[in-house]
Amino acid sequence: QKEVEQNSGPLSVPEGAIASLNCTYSDRVSQSFFWYRQYSGKSPELIMSIYSNGDKEDGRFTAQLNKASQYVSLLIRDSQPSDSATYLCAVPNDYKLSFGAGTTVTVRA
Amino acid sequence: KAGVTQTPRYLIKTRGQQVTLSCSPISGHRSVSWYQQTPGQGLQFLFEYFSETQRNKGNFPGRFSGRQFSNSRSEMNVSTLELGDSALYLCASSSSGDLFEAFFGQGTRLTVV
Repeated sequence: QKEVEQNSGPLSVPEGAIASLNCTYSDRVSQSFFWYRQYSGKSPELIMSIYSNGDKEDGRFTAQLNKASQYVSLLIRDSQPSDSATYLCAVPNDYKLSFGAGTTVTVRA
Repeated sequence: KAGVTQTPRYLIKTRGQQVTLSCSPISGHRSVSWYQQTPGQGLQFLFEYFSETQRNKGNFPGRFSGRQFSNSRSEMNVSTLELGDSALYLCASSSSGDLFEAFFGQGTRLTVV
């Protein structure tokens, strides 16, 4: 079993819709979880950090964490064409980040 | 506040050569980690340094090595380059906290021909 798994993409959503991204992780003791956005040909950019169970909102982004289910998700509300990118879920352990394979999101105008 | 700086941005090398990549972390960050990103393998961890000590190393051959200096700047070296080493090499900077929130540099695109 991979340490971090993300729902397979690609994900295509119309402009203004909600994009929903999911991630599961295997290490029960993980305490922090991150979402990165990566545009084609660019480096990953940290867009959300979440440490406690529940929801965390930042602008149009909402992260949801359920440690009991070992599940973290990212919702992008009112999706814009500029949100078209690959989204990576990351979980730290042993001084490194383990990444999911990424979900590529395309927002259709 | 300056971000993570990686140099050079692009490199073209020939098989068998060696290469050194540099990373300057965010001011005050003492942890530097390196990742290799390829289309087929995704983001793979190479190694992490904190205060000049390697705390973890990924599953890469010994041709891949790194070090960190007292000012937290880090270098990674790849010797005897192979075609399969062509990738985007990313450096990430983190504070000394356990939460390990990491910020990436722009990366070095290495092409081996």
